Formats: sequence, structure tokens, C-alpha cells
Amino acid sequence: QQQVKQSPQSLIVQKGGISIINCAYENTAFDYFPWYQQFPGKGPALLIAIRPDVSEKKEGRFTISFNKSAKQFSLHIMDSQPGDSATYFCAARAGNTGKLIFGQGTTLQVKP
Amino acid sequence: DVKVTQSSRYLVKRTGEKVFLECVQDMDHENMFWYRQDPGLGLRLIYFSYDVKMKEKGDIPEGYSVSREKKERFSLILESASTNQTSMYLCASSSPPVYSPLHFGNGTRLTVT
Repeated sequence: QQQVKQSPQSLIVQKGGISIINCAYENTAFDYFPWYQQFPGKGPALLIAIRPDVSEKKEGRFTISFNKSAKQFSLHIMDSQPGDSATYFCAARAGNTGKLIFGQGTTLQVKP
Repeated sequence: DVKVTQSSRYLVKRTGEKVFLECVQDMDHENMFWYRQDPGLGLRLIYFSYDVKMKEKGDIPEGYSVSREKKERFSLILESASTNQTSMYLCASSSPPVYSPLHFGNGTRLTVT
């Protein structure tokens, strides 16, 4: 039973394009939604995170859009670069447990 | 900079062996976690610990146990390794509050033959 569903599984984007990765959740107790980035041979690292009291958060070329009523959130990477090629994981946490539940992951390839 | 070190990058073990995966963090973090990473399944939580000698089951604890005798060290134990435990194992740590980021090690690729 996957509590956080992520799509697509893989994504190929041209340099300069927009990469979009989507996640959906069911548990309304989730109240913190981070995205992690993982390069080959490395562990995941926090990229950007959002709390559900805002609908959007932007950090440089990376933006999280959050739709509380639809229980969906997405990562947008503007002006995608080959250096953005990595695996991206969305996640969700219920504050009272401290556990972080991850999505299935999306492998992004940005072609030069 | 937080450093989470996993003792082995690659391990090959035989079915039925007892396997120890070690993880050490150097930032005095209270929270430590063990995840396994499988293609198409993402990261799944095996066990976590909020303090020394404390442990809680994650979503897939069957076939695993953990030990946390010191704050900086969190060990994952496969009591009797099986082929379906072949996976990438990731250790992570974090500090309170619960919204602080997880800091991951680089993983241990375990193959059980």
C-alpha cells in the first residue's frame, strides 16, 4: 500500500525545458511535503519542501505547487539543465509520527 | 556539514547468514532511520529510532532488527538473510523538530545469493 503515489517513473526533457513531477497522497494527517534529489552513487538530499498552509514555494529554478483539496503536489524544474539529471523523490510526513513516507521516485534525464 | 557514514558500499552474503549493516552520524542527531530502496518502490522505512536504546518499526520491519547502543550509531541486522532482501539500504539521521531534513548516507548495496 503506497501512501504517496508519484508519477511519472521516468522523464526525458530537453535542456531549457520544464520538468514536472507529480505526487498524490491520501492521508490528511500529512503536513509536511519535501522533495529529495538523488544522484547516482549518493544518498538522497533535501531539495525543497512545503507546508500545506501555502500553495506554492519557489527556490531558484525549483517550485513546489500544492493543492490541498486535491491532495496533490508537484515539482516544477524550470530551465532544466543536464546537471539536474537525477532521481527525484517526493515525500510526506505526519507531524505526530515523525516518519517520512516516500513516493516511488522519478528518474529525470535532461538532454543537452 | 552533516556526515552519515555507512560502513560498506557493497556487501555479498549467502542465504541464511546473519548480516550487520552499520551507520554512524557525526552531528549528534537524536533521530536515525533505515530505509531500503528498490526500483519502482521508492524508499521504504524499515526501522527508526528517536533516542539511544529506543526503536520503532517502520513499514517493512519483517526480517530485520536494529540496535542503537550509542547515539551516533544505528545498526540494521538481518537475522537470516534471504534473496528478497537484496537491495540498496540507506541510513539517515535528523535532529528535532520533526520537520528538519533527513541526512542520508551513500547507501550499502547488499546482494544475498
